Amino acid sequence: EIVMTQSPPSSRVTLGQPASISCRSSQSLVFIDGTTRLSWLQQRPGQPPRLLIYHVSKRFSGVPDRFSGSGSGTDFTLDISRVEAEDVGIYYCMQAKQFPLTFGGGTKVEIK
Amino acid sequence: EVQLVESGGGLVQPGGSLRLSCAVSGFSISGNWITWVRQVPGKGLEWVASLQHDVSGDHYVDSVKGRFTMSGDSAQNSVFLEMNSLRAEDTAVYYCARSNNATFDFWGQGAIVTVSS
Repeated sequence: EIVMTQSPPSSRVTLGQPASISCRSSQSLVFIDGTTRLSWLQQRPGQPPRLLIYHVSKRFSGVPDRFSGSGSGTDFTLDISRVEAEDVGIYYCMQAKQFPLTFGGGTKVEIK
Repeated sequence: EVQLVESGGGLVQPGGSLRLSCAVSGFSISGNWITWVRQVPGKGLEWVASLQHDVSGDHYVDSVKGRFTMSGDSAQNSVFLEMNSLRAEDTAVYYCARSNNATFDFWGQGAIVTVSS
C-alpha cells in the first residue's frame, strides 16, 4: 500500500497571503504510461470533496488559477497564491497509481 | 451535465445489510470507473471500492473484502454497493465518484450509513 503523508496538518493564513501544502508518497507515483497519478482535492465544510488538481499540476475545469500543483516522483506541493475566504476547508492529496487508492490525512486551512 | 446521486443510506444494526445506489447522469457507466469513498464524520477520506462496469473487474479495500460488492446496471445507468455483515466501523458518509484521468472528477453529495444497535 502506498502511504500518503501530508504536512502541515493545519495552516492559518491571512487573507491575500500564500499557502503551501506538502504531500509525500511512500513510493513513486509515476505510472507505466509516464503520467504521475497524484491529485489534490478540496473539501469545504459540509460539502463533498472537489477536484482541484490532477496529474500533479493539471488544473481541473473551473478551478481558479491561484491554485497550482508541482512536484515529481514522491514529493508534491499544492500552492495557493493568495488565499481567499472561500478557500477555507480541508485539502487532501491522493494517489491513483495502484490499488488500494490512498489519501493523505488532510490539511485544514483556516483564515487568521 | 455530469451528476451522481447516492441513495439508500440509513440506520442498520451490526451484522445487517444495506444497499447503496449511485444514479449517474451526463455520462454512461459502461466503460467508466465508478468509485465509492467513505468518510467517518470529522475524519479523512478512505477509498472503499472501484468498478469499471462491463469492462474490467472490481477492487476493494481489504477491510470490506468479502462483505461489500459493487455492481452496475446499464439500463438504470446506476452503480450499487451491496454491504453485508456491517460493523460499527463502517459508519460513515459514503460518496460515489467518477474516476477519470486517474482521479475523481465528479462526486455525489453522499449517503449516510450508521451501524448501531
